[in-house]
Amino acid sequence: GNSVTQMEGPVTLSEEAFLTINCTYTATGYPSLFWYVQYPGEGLQLLLKATKADDKGSNKGFEATYRKETTSFHLEKGSVQVSDSAVYFCALSVYSGGYQKVTFGIGTKLQVIP
Amino acid sequence: EAGVTQFPSHSVIEKGQTVTLRCDPISGHDNLYWYRRVMGKEIKFLLHFVKESKQDESGMPNNRFLAERTGGTYSTLKVQPAELEDSGVYFCASSPRGYTQYFGPGTRLTVL
Repeated sequence: GNSVTQMEGPVTLSEEAFLTINCTYTATGYPSLFWYVQYPGEGLQLLLKATKADDKGSNKGFEATYRKETTSFHLEKGSVQVSDSAVYFCALSVYSGGYQKVTFGIGTKLQVIP
Repeated sequence: EAGVTQFPSHSVIEKGQTVTLRCDPISGHDNLYWYRRVMGKEIKFLLHFVKESKQDESGMPNNRFLAERTGGTYSTLKVQPAELEDSGVYFCASSPRGYTQYFGPGTRLTVL
């Protein structure tokens, strides 16, 4: 079956620090990869995605590159802000039977302190 | 364009009671999904509707859970009777055919 493994956290960083959240996956077929974010009190939002090998997804200063050879999709940001404090979920989806079936990781809580 | 909405945002009930969660998808989205996140664990798939039909309900935990989608519009998820282990956040998502899923804010269910 499909699965996503990501560091559990919590991760605590000072403002302007470099962020990496690791994510690896196993999948049957050729998945699309996603990072979702959940800010406090809000729902899940799509942060970025990549649909094929070597694609780089980016948004709001965050980046992740689809690495097929290492089955990874690590999330990075060069300089985090307090407003980035949230829970980050790595996910994959496989197109099957006309729809995308999504598998999530456990979520990594990020806390950025001033 | 309105996003996916869910009601209520938070529900606290006692073990043995019944709770009904509602999801209104984005207008025009035929696909509607339910997911659940139990505290500290992954967000897990529960089921998928295409219009009013259940396409995949392989993730439903047991027969205490009943999902419906009236006329292919909004959906309800009923838990009857609720147990302690049903506590968690229930997310709904919708999508057009084959495209990225858009998630709602979730309903936090607490069973005491």
